[in-house]
Amino acid sequence: QVQLVESGGGLVKPGGSLRLSCAASGFTFSDYYMSWIRQAPGKGLEWVSYISSSSSYTNYADSVKGRFTISRDNAKNSLYLQMNSLRAEDTAVYYCARDGGIAAHRPYYYMDVWGKGTTVTVSS
Amino acid sequence: DIQMTQSPSTLSASVGDRVTITCRASQSISSWLAWYQQKPGKAPKLLIYKASSLESGVPSRFSGSGSGTEFTLTISSLQPDDFATYYCQLLEAFGQGTKVEIK
Repeated sequence: QVQLVESGGGLVKPGGSLRLSCAASGFTFSDYYMSWIRQAPGKGLEWVSYISSSSSYTNYADSVKGRFTISRDNAKNSLYLQMNSLRAEDTAVYYCARDGGIAAHRPYYYMDVWGKGTTVTVSS
Repeated sequence: DIQMTQSPSTLSASVGDRVTITCRASQSISSWLAWYQQKPGKAPKLLIYKASSLESGVPSRFSGSGSGTEFTLTISSLQPDDFATYYCQLLEAFGQGTKVEIK
Protein backbone atom coordinates (compact mmCIF):
# COMPACT_ATOMS: atom_id res chain seq x y z
CA GLN A 1 0.00 0.00 0.00
CA VAL A 2 1.02 3.65 -0.28
CA GLN A 3 3.46 4.36 2.52
CA LEU A 4 6.04 6.85 3.73
CA VAL A 5 8.48 5.90 6.48
CA GLU A 6 10.75 8.49 8.06
CA SER A 7 14.00 7.75 9.87
CA GLY A 8 17.09 9.53 11.12
CA GLY A 9 15.68 11.52 14.01
CA GLY A 10 17.37 11.69 17.38
CA LEU A 11 19.00 13.86 20.00
CA VAL A 12 21.56 16.38 18.78
CA LYS A 13 23.36 19.30 20.41
CA PRO A 14 22.74 22.89 19.32
CA GLY A 15 24.86 23.66 16.29
CA GLY A 16 24.90 20.02 15.25
CA SER A 17 23.66 18.28 12.12
CA LEU A 18 21.22 15.53 11.30
CA ARG A 19 20.00 13.91 8.11
CA LEU A 20 16.43 12.70 7.89
CA SER A 21 15.32 10.12 5.35
CA CYS A 22 11.90 9.14 4.06
CA ALA A 23 11.35 5.86 2.21
CA ALA A 24 8.40 5.80 -0.15
CA SER A 25 6.56 2.73 -1.40
CA GLY A 26 3.34 1.78 -3.13
CA PHE A 27 3.32 4.63 -5.66
CA THR A 28 5.47 6.12 -8.43
CA PHE A 29 7.65 8.35 -6.27
CA SER A 30 9.13 10.24 -9.22
CA ASP A 31 5.67 11.58 -10.18
CA TYR A 32 5.18 13.70 -7.08
CA TYR A 33 6.36 16.81 -5.35
CA MET A 34 7.35 15.95 -1.77
CA SER A 35 7.47 18.02 1.40
CA TRP A 36 8.76 18.05 4.95
CA ILE A 37 6.44 19.42 7.61
CA ARG A 38 7.23 19.66 11.30
CA GLN A 39 5.36 19.97 14.56
CA ALA A 40 7.01 21.25 17.72
CA PRO A 41 5.84 19.67 20.99
CA GLY A 42 2.30 20.83 21.77
CA LYS A 43 2.27 23.18 18.77
CA GLY A 44 0.73 23.33 15.33
CA LEU A 45 2.00 22.26 11.94
CA GLU A 46 4.76 24.15 10.16
CA TRP A 47 5.67 23.59 6.52
CA VAL A 48 9.47 23.26 6.19
CA SER A 49 10.36 22.57 2.57
CA TYR A 50 9.27 21.06 -0.73
CA ILE A 51 11.04 19.60 -3.73
CA SER A 52 9.73 19.04 -7.23
CA SER A 53 9.46 15.58 -8.76
CA SER A 54 12.69 16.00 -10.75
CA SER A 55 14.52 17.98 -8.04
CA SER A 56 14.49 21.06 -10.27
CA TYR A 57 12.63 23.22 -7.76
CA THR A 58 12.97 23.54 -4.02
CA ASN A 59 11.55 25.98 -1.52
CA TYR A 60 12.13 26.54 2.19
CA ALA A 61 10.47 28.23 5.12
CA ASP A 62 12.32 31.36 6.20
CA SER A 63 12.99 29.71 9.56
CA VAL A 64 15.21 27.03 7.98
CA LYS A 65 16.52 28.73 4.84
CA GLY A 66 20.29 28.45 4.58
CA ARG A 67 20.46 25.71 7.23
CA PHE A 68 18.33 22.88 5.80
CA THR A 69 18.63 21.20 2.39
CA ILE A 70 15.97 19.00 0.85
CA SER A 71 16.89 16.39 -1.74
CA ARG A 72 15.58 13.20 -3.26
CA ASP A 73 16.78 10.08 -5.04
CA ASN A 74 14.06 8.83 -7.36
CA ALA A 75 16.00 5.65 -8.10
CA LYS A 76 15.88 4.80 -4.41
CA ASN A 77 12.35 6.18 -3.82
CA SER A 78 13.77 8.32 -1.06
CA LEU A 79 13.45 11.87 0.25
CA TYR A 80 16.02 13.52 2.49
CA LEU A 81 16.38 16.55 4.73
CA GLN A 82 19.88 17.62 5.69
CA MET A 83 19.66 19.80 8.79
CA ASN A 84 22.70 21.85 9.82
CA SER A 85 23.28 24.46 12.50
CA LEU A 86 20.41 23.03 14.51
CA ARG A 87 18.73 25.16 17.16
CA ALA A 88 16.52 24.33 20.12
CA GLU A 89 13.55 25.70 18.18
CA ASP A 90 14.06 23.00 15.54
CA THR A 91 12.93 20.41 18.09
CA ALA A 92 9.87 18.77 16.54
CA VAL A 93 8.35 15.74 14.94
CA TYR A 94 9.29 15.87 11.26
CA TYR A 95 6.81 14.46 8.78
CA CYS A 96 7.46 13.48 5.20
CA ALA A 97 4.40 14.10 3.02
CA ARG A 98 3.33 13.62 -0.58
CA ASP A 99 1.87 16.54 -2.49
CA GLY A 100 -1.55 15.82 -3.94
CA GLY A 101 -0.77 16.65 -7.56
CA ILE A 102 0.44 13.85 -9.81
CA ALA A 103 2.92 14.67 -12.59
CA ALA A 104 2.41 18.29 -11.65
CA HIS A 105 4.54 21.25 -12.72
CA ARG A 106 3.91 22.99 -9.44
CA PRO A 107 3.00 21.93 -5.92
CA TYR A 108 -0.71 21.56 -5.25
CA TYR A 109 -0.17 22.39 -1.59
CA TYR A 110 -2.27 19.65 -0.13
CA MET A 111 -0.65 16.58 1.40
CA ASP A 112 -2.54 13.39 0.73
CA VAL A 113 -0.06 10.88 2.18
CA TRP A 114 1.90 11.38 5.40
CA GLY A 115 4.50 9.34 7.20
CA LYS A 116 4.27 8.68 10.92
CA GLY A 117 7.06 11.15 11.64
CA THR A 118 10.50 11.08 13.19
CA THR A 119 11.41 13.04 16.32
CA VAL A 120 14.28 15.52 16.38
CA THR A 121 15.39 16.90 19.73
CA VAL A 122 17.97 19.67 19.86
CA SER A 123 19.34 20.03 23.36
CA SER A 124 22.63 20.25 25.19
CA ASP B 1 3.80 35.73 3.21
CA ILE B 2 0.28 34.49 3.74
CA GLN B 3 -1.00 34.30 7.32
CA MET B 4 -3.87 31.99 8.22
CA THR B 5 -6.14 32.80 11.15
CA GLN B 6 -8.19 29.84 12.29
CA SER B 7 -11.12 30.10 14.68
CA PRO B 8 -12.11 29.07 17.21
CA SER B 9 -8.96 27.66 18.80
CA THR B 10 -11.08 25.31 20.92
CA LEU B 11 -14.61 24.12 20.37
CA SER B 12 -16.73 22.11 22.81
CA ALA B 13 -19.50 20.12 21.19
CA SER B 14 -21.69 17.07 21.63
CA VAL B 15 -22.20 14.05 19.44
CA GLY B 16 -24.70 14.97 16.75
CA ASP B 17 -23.89 18.69 16.76
CA ARG B 18 -23.20 20.63 13.59
CA VAL B 19 -19.71 22.10 13.86
CA THR B 20 -18.13 24.90 11.83
CA ILE B 21 -14.48 25.94 11.79
CA THR B 22 -13.28 29.02 9.92
CA CYS B 23 -9.97 29.95 8.35
CA ARG B 24 -9.22 33.45 7.15
CA ALA B 25 -6.30 34.24 4.87
CA SER B 26 -4.38 37.51 5.08
CA GLN B 27 -4.71 37.89 1.32
CA SER B 28 -6.77 36.46 -1.49
CA ILE B 29 -4.24 34.49 -3.46
CA SER B 30 -5.57 31.03 -4.01
CA SER B 31 -8.46 28.65 -3.39
CA TRP B 32 -6.09 25.75 -2.91
CA LEU B 33 -7.12 25.39 0.70
CA ALA B 34 -6.88 22.06 2.50
CA TRP B 35 -8.25 20.77 5.79
CA TYR B 36 -6.64 18.11 7.94
CA GLN B 37 -7.66 16.15 11.02
CA GLN B 38 -5.03 15.16 13.57
CA LYS B 39 -5.38 12.91 16.58
CA PRO B 40 -2.84 12.84 19.44
CA GLY B 41 0.40 11.09 18.49
CA LYS B 42 -0.71 10.58 14.89
CA ALA B 43 0.08 12.18 11.56
CA PRO B 44 -2.45 14.58 10.06
CA LYS B 45 -5.05 13.14 7.72
CA LEU B 46 -6.29 15.00 4.64
CA LEU B 47 -10.03 15.67 4.70
CA ILE B 48 -10.70 18.38 2.11
CA TYR B 49 -8.59 19.83 -0.73
CA LYS B 50 -9.14 22.67 -3.19
CA ALA B 51 -11.46 24.20 -0.59
CA SER B 52 -14.40 21.86 -1.20
CA SER B 53 -13.23 18.54 -2.65
CA LEU B 54 -13.69 15.60 -0.32
CA GLU B 55 -10.69 13.28 -0.10
CA SER B 56 -11.44 9.67 -1.00
CA GLY B 57 -12.61 7.64 1.98
CA VAL B 58 -13.53 10.63 4.12
CA PRO B 59 -17.12 10.54 5.43
CA SER B 60 -19.58 12.82 3.68
CA ARG B 61 -20.45 14.58 6.96
CA PHE B 62 -17.28 16.61 6.33
CA SER B 63 -17.59 19.45 3.85
CA GLY B 64 -15.58 22.49 2.90
CA SER B 65 -16.55 25.80 1.37
CA GLY B 66 -15.28 29.28 0.74
CA SER B 67 -13.09 31.32 -1.55
CA GLY B 68 -11.03 34.47 -1.50
CA THR B 69 -9.97 34.98 2.09
CA GLU B 70 -12.60 33.03 4.07
CA PHE B 71 -12.95 29.26 4.19
CA THR B 72 -15.06 26.94 6.30
CA LEU B 73 -14.95 23.31 7.40
CA THR B 74 -18.30 21.91 8.48
CA ILE B 75 -19.03 18.63 10.21
CA SER B 76 -22.75 18.08 9.74
CA SER B 77 -23.26 15.66 12.63
CA LEU B 78 -20.34 15.22 14.99
CA GLN B 79 -19.38 11.61 15.66
CA PRO B 80 -17.25 10.20 18.51
CA ASP B 81 -14.35 9.60 16.10
CA ASP B 82 -14.33 13.29 15.12
CA PHE B 83 -12.95 14.62 18.40
CA ALA B 84 -9.53 15.79 17.25
CA THR B 85 -7.60 18.87 16.18
CA TYR B 86 -8.27 20.35 12.75
CA TYR B 87 -5.88 22.43 10.66
CA CYS B 88 -6.32 24.44 7.50
CA GLN B 89 -3.51 24.97 4.98
CA LEU B 90 -3.22 27.53 2.21
CA LEU B 91 -0.06 27.29 0.15
CA GLU B 92 2.79 27.04 2.69
CA ALA B 93 0.79 28.43 5.61
CA PHE B 94 -1.06 26.40 8.21
CA GLY B 95 -3.72 27.68 10.58
CA GLN B 96 -3.07 27.43 14.30
CA GLY B 97 -5.49 24.54 14.73
CA THR B 98 -8.93 24.01 16.28
CA LYS B 99 -9.30 21.42 18.99
CA VAL B 100 -12.77 19.86 19.01
CA GLU B 101 -13.53 18.63 22.50
CA ILE B 102 -16.38 16.69 24.05
CA LYS B 103 -18.90 18.98 25.75
